Amino acid sequence: DAGVTQSPTHLIKTRGQQVTLRCSPKSGHDTVSWYQQALGQGPQFIFQYYEEEERQRGNFPDRFSGHQFPNYSSELNVNALLLGDSALYLCASSLGTGGIGGYTFGSGTRLTVV
Amino acid sequence: AQSVAQPEDQVNVAEGNPLTVKCTYSVSGNPYLFWYVQYPNRGLQFLLKYITGDNLVKGSYGFEAEFNKSQTSFHLKKPSALVSDSALYFCAVRDGRNYQLIWGAGTKLIIKP
Repeated sequence: DAGVTQSPTHLIKTRGQQVTLRCSPKSGHDTVSWYQQALGQGPQFIFQYYEEEERQRGNFPDRFSGHQFPNYSSELNVNALLLGDSALYLCASSLGTGGIGGYTFGSGTRLTVV
Repeated sequence: AQSVAQPEDQVNVAEGNPLTVKCTYSVSGNPYLFWYVQYPNRGLQFLLKYITGDNLVKGSYGFEAEFNKSQTSFHLKKPSALVSDSALYFCAVRDGRNYQLIWGAGTKLIIKP
């Protein structure tokens, strides 16, 4: 299957810790966007990576950072975890930053902060 | 401000009946509009998109949506609902400035046998 792969699927962390989430984009896609989806809400845009650089950023603090590798895969890092960071983190890949061809989402990583 | 509204938290439809899930948007420039479906504890699955062209867009699983520029709406429709269509449906619009997707709050669709 050449869809978007996210790891891990579930994660439990303690407040104040740091976490790294990983995403492999769909084959042929070169852009990765990250979203946070709190329970019962729509996703919120965190940031987008293209050509190994952060291109766009939503309204999230600097505790949220990322990286894109030459093979287009990406990581989302969250430092100094807060209880409010508990959410489903979704990765979406696309060809180019404009999303004209649409976005393919992974199944997400469920992060629980205790 | 750019936004998406899904006015109904929940829509209940009997199996076999037509369904409509409503979405209105506010965005600068030409809208790129999307519908996604989410099953419990799963990611988002693409249903259909409107970029340009015909106002009636056909998508996956028999769903379609009608783009109405004057009413700034993009309602999701299906002629005959299935119980398996029960899920959470999200409408999204692409922000023309920074290309992020702006999402509605979601509509829970319940199809009763």
